[in-house]
Amino acid sequence: TQLLEQSPQFLSIQEGENLTVYCNSSSVFSSLQWYRQEPGEGPVLLVTVVTGGEVKKLKRLTFQFGDARKDSSLHITAAQPGDTGLYLCAGARSSGAGSYQLTFGKGTKLSVIP
Amino acid sequence: DTAVSQTPKYLVTQMGNDKSIKCEQNLGHDTMYWYKQDSKKFLKIMFSYNNKELIINETVPNRFSPKSPDKAHLNLHINSLELGDSAVYFCASSQEGTSGPYEQYFGPGTRLTVT
Repeated sequence: TQLLEQSPQFLSIQEGENLTVYCNSSSVFSSLQWYRQEPGEGPVLLVTVVTGGEVKKLKRLTFQFGDARKDSSLHITAAQPGDTGLYLCAGARSSGAGSYQLTFGKGTKLSVIP
Repeated sequence: DTAVSQTPKYLVTQMGNDKSIKCEQNLGHDTMYWYKQDSKKFLKIMFSYNNKELIINETVPNRFSPKSPDKAHLNLHINSLELGDSAVYFCASSQEGTSGPYEQYFGPGTRLTVT
């Protein structure tokens, strides 16, 4: 059973369109991160959300953490070709002794067509 | 300056061989990790080391062994390589607080191909 369900798995849109990616779980997380990975590179952190209901904005990207801290969404406004990449959500839970375990969703592969 | 570096970038080897991947971080983080990313891009944690102590070990074959000579390095040694070990392996590091969020910095990855 996948702890973090990410949808959609693939998304191909035209430049200028809006889109939303979802990350859902039945588990509560202490925080949730969103990463973007480009081909041949490692994931790069975009944002961390910690508080239930929290909303963070990064230029045209809006991230929201669910009130119960079980789900999150990423909304991109007026997508551009430079937004193309693999978007990964990752939830953090305590593994004891002050340590945290990070579990990744399977990712959403976004293609923005010029 | 590269924060998390891995070598080699590409590794092609035959079944049955033993190989190592090196990882170094210059961020001063106290925890380092190894992840495996399969062909479907699923990123799965393999190991983590905190202050030279293994604190997470997922269901990984014992052919895989992490080795940490110091806080800035976490190498991955793989014995008797199998075809199914072909994947991209990522090293990562983070600084963990007692209650704070948990953010990771990834290396560029090592693409391992077993033939």
